[in-house]
Amino acid sequence: GAVVSQHPSRVICKSGTSVKIECRSLDFQATTMFWYRQFPKQSLMLMATSNEGSKATYEQGVEKDKFLINHASLTLSTLTVTSAHPEDSSFYICSAPGQEIINEQFFGPGTRLTVL
Amino acid sequence: SQKIEQNSEALNIQEGKTATLTCNYTNYSPAYLQWYRQDPGRGPVFLLLIRENEKEKRKERLKVTFDTTLKQSLFHITASQPADSATYLCALGDDYKLSFGAGTTVTVRA
Repeated sequence: GAVVSQHPSRVICKSGTSVKIECRSLDFQATTMFWYRQFPKQSLMLMATSNEGSKATYEQGVEKDKFLINHASLTLSTLTVTSAHPEDSSFYICSAPGQEIINEQFFGPGTRLTVL
Repeated sequence: SQKIEQNSEALNIQEGKTATLTCNYTNYSPAYLQWYRQDPGRGPVFLLLIRENEKEKRKERLKVTFDTTLKQSLFHITASQPADSATYLCALGDDYKLSFGAGTTVTVRA
């Protein structure tokens, strides 16, 4: 199946700093990618839809100025957590639709963000 | 608002037995339903997709049923193995947007 990578896998930062997370589709193109957040023992929550060549679409309750999304190319989307605070500590996961089965999605391995 | 519930947080079974997981939903009419496997500290891995007009799907030792009247999906792992130990997530879909349940952690004892 298709492979989605994320970088970094783990990041620890100080409160108030910004952190950028990359999501890449390695062997296929993705005009759309999705960003999720998962707190311990909770379900994945969709944060936003990243669209190549246009603005991201954010889910209700997600601050677009805090979570900046840039879909720079057909294989790369980035999520920047600006002015991070401890409550932003979470597991961030991206996904991209597959090419063979309609509605199939491939998820990245996730990025564990810890804000001190 | 829509709600997705997976039967229990944890399921412990003996190797070789069948694990049955439940996913119930309310206030939603999904076009399809998916099941994923998630290992600790990893992203979900796609297992099966079943559409609203389908009753059952199989893939190797996995079987999924989808009852849109009951608003329920059952996920079966037959002849379970210790390597099947993981958290299993159900996800309801409309176009490409997915809404996930909290997951059921399955532990298969040797």
